[in-house]
Amino acid sequence: AQSVTQLDSHVSVSEGTPVLLRCNYSSSYSPSLFWYVQHPNKGLQLLLKYTSAATLVKGINGFEAEFKKSETSFHLTKPSAHMSDAAEYFCVVRGYSGAGSYQLTFGKGTKLSVIP
Amino acid sequence: DGGITQSPKYLFRKEGQNVTLSCEQNLNHDAMYWYRQDPGQGLRLIYYSQIVNDFQKGDIAEGYSVSREKKESFPLTVTSAQKNPTAFYLCASSISIRDYPTDTQYFGPGTRLTVL
Repeated sequence: AQSVTQLDSHVSVSEGTPVLLRCNYSSSYSPSLFWYVQHPNKGLQLLLKYTSAATLVKGINGFEAEFKKSETSFHLTKPSAHMSDAAEYFCVVRGYSGAGSYQLTFGKGTKLSVIP
Repeated sequence: DGGITQSPKYLFRKEGQNVTLSCEQNLNHDAMYWYRQDPGQGLRLIYYSQIVNDFQKGDIAEGYSVSREKKESFPLTVTSAQKNPTAFYLCASSISIRDYPTDTQYFGPGTRLTVL
């Protein structure tokens, strides 16, 4: 079984300050990890993904995430928040579920607010 | 442009009625998925399909039905048996479920269903 925990349901930052969205996971196998962003009433857009290569992953719009196996974490960061970053962010783990199939598990989301 | 389209964007239904949500993709992806999103719940998998004429239940399939007669189309029917159908429904596709451990899912813009 696998699971994802997003540690904060809501994060508020001032424009120009760093962003940290926290994600912990559990998985029986070596997982792939993703961060998606969702703007209001829109679908999800992939920000970045970890694929067992480099542990520091760079994504779009200046976001990056670091895979830490010892801490089972995959936190999302950005050095300087922009107003357009205000959205909901989902951490997702993809692990092997047996019989040649893979399973996606979504976190419950973190809503990011950016204060002007 | 390649992508996933969902229609309609907003849908209203009376209690006791079945309703079908459309999902079309022109990405030539084998796998397609339906998710339900409720506030604070993240995404939950309803059904998925790996190839044409084949589909499997996800975590919350009760009260829903799907078909996969064509590679590019994966409609979802919300039946009157679904006790709480008001939600945001997201369709996604990926190259394959099995062969790509790091495979990315691409999401449509979603359909918001409201039961009156």
